[in-house]
Amino acid sequence: DQQVKQNSPSLSVQEGRISILNCDYTNSMFDYFLWYKKYPAEGPTFLISISSIKDKNEDGRFTVFLNKSAKHLSLHIVPSQPGDSAVYFCAASAEATGNQFYFGTGTSLTVIP
Amino acid sequence: NAGVTQTPKFRVLKTGQSMTLLCAQDMNHEYMYWYRQDPGMGLRLIHYSVGEGTTAKGEVPDGYNVSRLKKQNFLLGLESAAPSQTSVYFCASSSAMTEQFFGPGTRLTVL
Repeated sequence: DQQVKQNSPSLSVQEGRISILNCDYTNSMFDYFLWYKKYPAEGPTFLISISSIKDKNEDGRFTVFLNKSAKHLSLHIVPSQPGDSAVYFCAASAEATGNQFYFGTGTSLTVIP
Repeated sequence: NAGVTQTPKFRVLKTGQSMTLLCAQDMNHEYMYWYRQDPGMGLRLIHYSVGEGTTAKGEVPDGYNVSRLKKQNFLLGLESAAPSQTSVYFCASSSAMTEQFFGPGTRLTVL
């Protein structure tokens, strides 16, 4: 049973435009959310996180929004660059889940020059 | 700092063979994790450890065993490999419940 879902397997965006990646979760106990970026043949690397006490967190071109009532989070990349082309995973955890992180299935972003 | 390293990078096994994957981290992290990544399935947690000498089951632990004899090392064992264990395996480490640092992965094929 997938507790964290990324319903868009792929996304293509023109360079300079905004990329919006979405993630939904089912477990209302989740209180910490992360986004990871993964290039082929490499391990995922941490991008940005947000705790449930916030609804927005920014880091440079990357912003994560959290809507707890909808159990939805999104990652905005502005402006998108060709180097952002990668697979993006969202992940969630809760104190109640005992140190486990649950990952979505990933969205492959292609930024077209 | 090497971060998180995994050995080996690639391996081909025959059904029924055994092997051990080694993960090492030099960041003094308490928490270590083993995941598998399969197409369309994302990353799924196999086993994890919250400190030296401790291990716990994740989402998909069947067919795997782990050991954390030293804080910096986390071993994943397959006692009798099956084709369903063909996957890419990632090790990760972290301090408490913070972002995880991942290794480069091990691509395992079981024939």
